[in-house]
Amino acid sequence: GAGVSQTPSNKVTEKGKYVELRCDPISGHTALYWYRQSLGQGPEFLIYFQGTGAADDSGLPNDRFFAVRPEGSVSTLKIQRTERGDSAMYLCASSPSAGMNTPGELFFGEGSRLTVL
Amino acid sequence: QKEVEQDPGPLSVPEGAIVSLNCTYSNSAFQYFMWYRQYSRKGPELLMYTYSSGNKEDGRFTAQVDKSSKYISLFIRDSQPSDSATYLCAMIPYSGAGSYQLTFGKGTKLSVIP
Repeated sequence: GAGVSQTPSNKVTEKGKYVELRCDPISGHTALYWYRQSLGQGPEFLIYFQGTGAADDSGLPNDRFFAVRPEGSVSTLKIQRTERGDSAMYLCASSPSAGMNTPGELFFGEGSRLTVL
Repeated sequence: QKEVEQDPGPLSVPEGAIVSLNCTYSNSAFQYFMWYRQYSRKGPELLMYTYSSGNKEDGRFTAQVDKSSKYISLFIRDSQPSDSATYLCAMIPYSGAGSYQLTFGKGTKLSVIP
């Protein structure tokens, strides 16, 4: 079946602009996660959804970052007033539930690479 | 000090070599240890996981955990060019609800030369 789909795959924007990144999880997966991976670093947790609600948004760096998942499937990560430091790969992942069938197994998409000029 | 330390490499080996990849960690609460593989411009995919201390083997791959030393390893036998990727270690304190915040190492970039 289809994996996690992320769009756009690449986004170049100017400092101060607004950006939306979309994630379509694996069908039937109730848990959805956003991670951010800077160049040469491992992914870092941003936010976790169980169903429609954000169960944990403790990883969001500041209030310029916001994410929604209104119908419990597709999620959008929104970044306001982008800064050069926001440049990174934004990875979305899903899992069947918060209690993963295989411990620590997240199914990642290919990511959206954001470049802020 | 970061919670998880991993030498980023790059590591270059000839085809057929045995590869050893390692991570150290500082948080003694970690109980589950994962290795993810990430090909260039792709998302990470789970390769193996291990619970607590011990070894786990899957084909050419062996994962080892030494909790007393807070040290984990991934060994790749008979390495192939298709193994060329970045290998990320990751850890969680427990499984089940709430165990979604994986703590990753930086990743080690491996190249297997034909």
